[in-house]
Amino acid sequence: GAGVSQSPRYKVAKRGQDVALRCDPISGHVSLFWYQQALGQGPEFLTYFQNEAQLDKSGLPSDRFFAERPEGSVSTLKIQRTQQEDSAVYLCASSLDAGNIQYFGAGTRLSVL
Amino acid sequence: GNSVTQMEGPVTLSEEAFLTINCTYTATGYPSLFWYVQYPGEGLQLLLKATKADDKGSNKGFEATYRKETTSFHLEKGSVQVSDSAVYFCALSERGGGNKLTFGTGTQLKVEL
Repeated sequence: GAGVSQSPRYKVAKRGQDVALRCDPISGHVSLFWYQQALGQGPEFLTYFQNEAQLDKSGLPSDRFFAERPEGSVSTLKIQRTQQEDSAVYLCASSLDAGNIQYFGAGTRLSVL
Repeated sequence: GNSVTQMEGPVTLSEEAFLTINCTYTATGYPSLFWYVQYPGEGLQLLLKATKADDKGSNKGFEATYRKETTSFHLEKGSVQVSDSAVYFCALSERGGGNKLTFGTGTQLKVEL
């Protein structure tokens, strides 16, 4: 596709459920980022991949959050045992390589009830 | 650590008015600076950027100048249109770590006829 694609666009989960959020980056983009955007706030960095290697996961808020990119293309952000404070928009971005412009997907809005 | 502070919104202007959205930053090194825009229902889009002191980024009539002495990157437009209504985010990135972005909290702009 032409841009970064994220699915689902909306996800409602009951507290305690596990969720998986998918990101399809722009074809050929080496770098991939996940951000969390709480309501009324700016996006906050979660984690970064260079190809399949997760080089920075310093922004993941707890060990319930896990991200992977096994073949260096599609990435999945998994949240285990969701809590209400996990409710946010999760944004994925990709760039040609580190230091290049990041292109963002439309995001997945997660609501934990 | 790095941080970005931008003026709170919403900012409401009449069409053809002059726009300024203030942005200041704190960084340990020499960051690149960005303005991203988020239109309703869409993903973040890069509006403009500047990579070194005194650089001016410009796009679609918007401008911002990288001021190292005042650690600022204020966004300006001489004559706003209704179609400029959106949320504007100031952001920075530093070399290394994939150049992850640090965002401000966003400023909502509403332009009325």
